[in-house]
Amino acid sequence: EAGVVQSPRYKIIEKKQPVAFWCNPISGHNTLYWYLQNLGQGPELLIRYENEEAVDDSQLPKDRFSAERLKGVDSTLKIQPAELGDSAVYLCASSLGQGHMNTEAFFGQGTRLTVV
Amino acid sequence: AQKVTQAQTEISVVEKEDVTLDCVYETRDTTYYLFWYKQPPSGELVFLIRRNSFDEQNEISGRYSWNFQKSTSSFNFTITASQVVDSAVYFCALSESNTGNQFYFGTGTSLTVIP
Repeated sequence: EAGVVQSPRYKIIEKKQPVAFWCNPISGHNTLYWYLQNLGQGPELLIRYENEEAVDDSQLPKDRFSAERLKGVDSTLKIQPAELGDSAVYLCASSLGQGHMNTEAFFGQGTRLTVV
Repeated sequence: AQKVTQAQTEISVVEKEDVTLDCVYETRDTTYYLFWYKQPPSGELVFLIRRNSFDEQNEISGRYSWNFQKSTSSFNFTITASQVVDSAVYFCALSESNTGNQFYFGTGTSLTVIP
């Protein structure tokens, strides 16, 4: 069975440009997460979806970041405009959710963003 | 306040040595779950174990073992007879029944196994 798939793996953009990341979770997983990971740090939650609903986006910088999960499957995370400080790894993860609380999350390989 | 503390930033051991990675957590929930993940240089976090707060029995899986002690709020991870392939960053995480599918990660411990 396929794991969490993210694309692209790497992205280099100039500051002030837009960028988008895509995530396809494990089939049947209702909960989807976007995490930000800076070098030498643990993952930090940006947004969590239960199906189509964003249930926790308190850490998402809404002035420049947006996310969507149409139809409760794939998700896209966008940054517009990107800033130098956005350089990091963006991780997507999924878990069963919905009746299966607090189960482990499975992570994709991440997108390494470099803003120059 | 940090809910999960991994005080060891970096550890180096020689191959075949045993190594213990510490994890201390903080929660007011009576029902919670603890996890360990491995992040090799490729970048993907790999799930290793999930324990719930009602099960303090230690667990062993091959060369890996976990020691859960509620009295000290610790969930330590020991690798026996370490191998070069164990070199990675290891993250401990907490999920509380109160907050649903929310994970709190520690800052990770970078383990280097020297051949």
